[in-house]
Amino acid sequence: DGGITQSPKYLFRKEGQNVTLSCEQNLNHDAMYWYRQDPGQGLRLIYYSQIVNDFQKGDIAEGYSVSREKKESFPLTVTSAQKNPTAFYLCASSIYVGPTEAFFGQGTRLTVV
Amino acid sequence: KQEVTQIPAALSVPEGENLVLNCSFTDSAIYNLQWFRQDPGKGLTSLLLIQSSQREQTSGRLNASLDKSSGRSTLYIAASQPGDSATYLCAVRRGETSGSRLTFGEGTQLTVNP
Repeated sequence: DGGITQSPKYLFRKEGQNVTLSCEQNLNHDAMYWYRQDPGQGLRLIYYSQIVNDFQKGDIAEGYSVSREKKESFPLTVTSAQKNPTAFYLCASSIYVGPTEAFFGQGTRLTVV
Repeated sequence: KQEVTQIPAALSVPEGENLVLNCSFTDSAIYNLQWFRQDPGKGLTSLLLIQSSQREQTSGRLNASLDKSSGRSTLYIAASQPGDSATYLCAVRRGETSGSRLTFGEGTQLTVNP
């Protein structure tokens, strides 16, 4: 089945640690995105990538980093510089141009302990 | 800056009712609008995608309409069922390419009571 796989489903981070969230897609989509979701707020864009080896900052990129070495993979690292990382993180993908319907993974819930 | 508003924030209805969820956006220069469903603790499931040139899209008991000039979209759910209970989000995209980001509303939390 084609889709987007995020792992892990739950992640706990200690203060000062970097953690990496995985996102893999087998939809052959060029574009991939990372969103953050907090209670009572809409989804906010962290980073996006339209092609391999290229990515752009979204609205709330501070404290996060990404890489896009393969078309299928777009991992997100939450660094110690992110002061309030507890949130639900969603990865999405779409084709590069055209109807651009976005498809989402099942999310990773990150909690700072 | 595009802003998307969904009203009401929460809605509780008895099973079998027809209902309408509302989405409004401030900038009418959109490329498309997408409706999603989100179950608690889960990702988003795409329900309907409406291009700016379209007036409505239908899938089963769901019908989404788009009035671009007035900056509004509605999601109509016919004969609601308890399994429809979820949060419904709308999102608009300004441009044709993937670099044109989606702007999301905060969602409507729907509860359908048996």
